This record gives sequence, structure tokens and C-alpha cells, in this order.
Amino acid sequence: DGGITQSPKYLFRKEGQNVTLSCEQNLNHDAMYWYRQDPGQGLRLIYYSQIVNDFQKGDIAEGYSVSREKKESFPLTVTSAQKNPTAFYLCASSIGSGAGETQYFGPGTRLLVL
Amino acid sequence: DQQVKQNSPSLSVQEGRISILNCDYTNSMFDYFLWYKKYPAEGPTFLISISSIKDKNEDGRFTVFLNKSAKHLSLHIVPSQPGDSAVYFCAASENYGGSQGNLIFGKGTKLSVKP
Repeated sequence: DGGITQSPKYLFRKEGQNVTLSCEQNLNHDAMYWYRQDPGQGLRLIYYSQIVNDFQKGDIAEGYSVSREKKESFPLTVTSAQKNPTAFYLCASSIGSGAGETQYFGPGTRLLVL
Repeated sequence: DQQVKQNSPSLSVQEGRISILNCDYTNSMFDYFLWYKKYPAEGPTFLISISSIKDKNEDGRFTVFLNKSAKHLSLHIVPSQPGDSAVYFCAASENYGGSQGNLIFGKGTKLSVKP
């Protein structure tokens, strides 16, 4: 069954702690993306990767880091530098990174700060 | 400054009637537009798209209209069903067919279809 999985569904972070959100896809997609959604807001791009071992900052990359060591995986680390991390985080992938490519989304991870 | 605007945060429609969701954009370089549907605590799912070379695209009950001169697009759902109740996001990108396809999303419109 092809798709995008994100884990965990809920994640709690203590002050000053780094946490890592998992995103895996078995769609053989080259491009992967991380978005953040806040209540009443649209999706904002954090980071994206067009190909393995390559990634670029999106609109709100500060306080986040990513890696793309494998095609299937694009983990997002929320660092202690991110002062307002409470949000719903969505991972997406697309066959390529062209403008005509539809992005497919995972189920999301809700991050809460204790 | 928002490049993609969905000015109606919510819309309520009776079952069987037409739902019209609107989206405006400011970047004249946008040439590809998508609509996503999102249920609470789930990721968005792709609904329908349109490129700037067209002014209409239809898929079953869903039709998207694009008015390039007005920088406006709309999603029509006919007939509306209770299962259509969700948040609908409009998204846009530029350089259709090019190498950079980052999507810019609107804030969403929450559609409620009442039985």
C-alpha cells in the first residue's frame, strides 16, 4: 500500500529540547516537503528536498533542520531555537519538484510544548 | 504579504445546493493552481488543479474556474454533500513545467454542508 507515513501522531517537547519528526514515503517520489500549519493559517513551507542529499530552506526554516540521506525518508528536527514550535506539521512528496507536480500529504504530526 | 488569499474563512451550504469557494492571488507569475481538501487532524488531499492555459477544469462534482485577468479562481461543488464538509485550501505555483514547484497556500475556507 503506497503512501506517506508520519510518526508520531502526537509529540510532546520539553523546553530546550530537540525533537525529530519522521516522514517516510514508498511512492518513489524524488521531492519531499515539510509544512507547518497553525490555527486559521495556511500551510507554510519549512524545508524542501528535490533529490537525495539535497535540501533547501523554505519560508520559515529558522529553528528547524532536515536531512535527506535516503529517498524514502525526510526527517524534520525541531530545535530549541524554534521559539514557537506548537503546530501541526505536515510532510508531503511529489514525483518531481516541477510546478505541475501534485503534492501528496501524510497524516501529520501535532507537536505540543510542555 | 499574502500572495494567495481566501477571504472567506467559512461557508455554510445546504445539501444538494452549489458550494462556491473563492481564491484570489496577487502574483501574476503564478501559472498553476490546485485545490486541496483537509479533514481535521489529517493531511490535505489533492482535489483538482488547473493550469493558466485553461479557464475551466472539471472532475465529477468539482469544477475549478480560472479568471487570469482578475487573478481569481473558484471551486464549484455541485451538488454539495455532507461528506464535503472540510477545510479547502487553494494553492498556487509558478514556472509550470519548470524545476521549481513550491506551492503557496491560502489560509483555507471551512465548508459546512448541512443535511
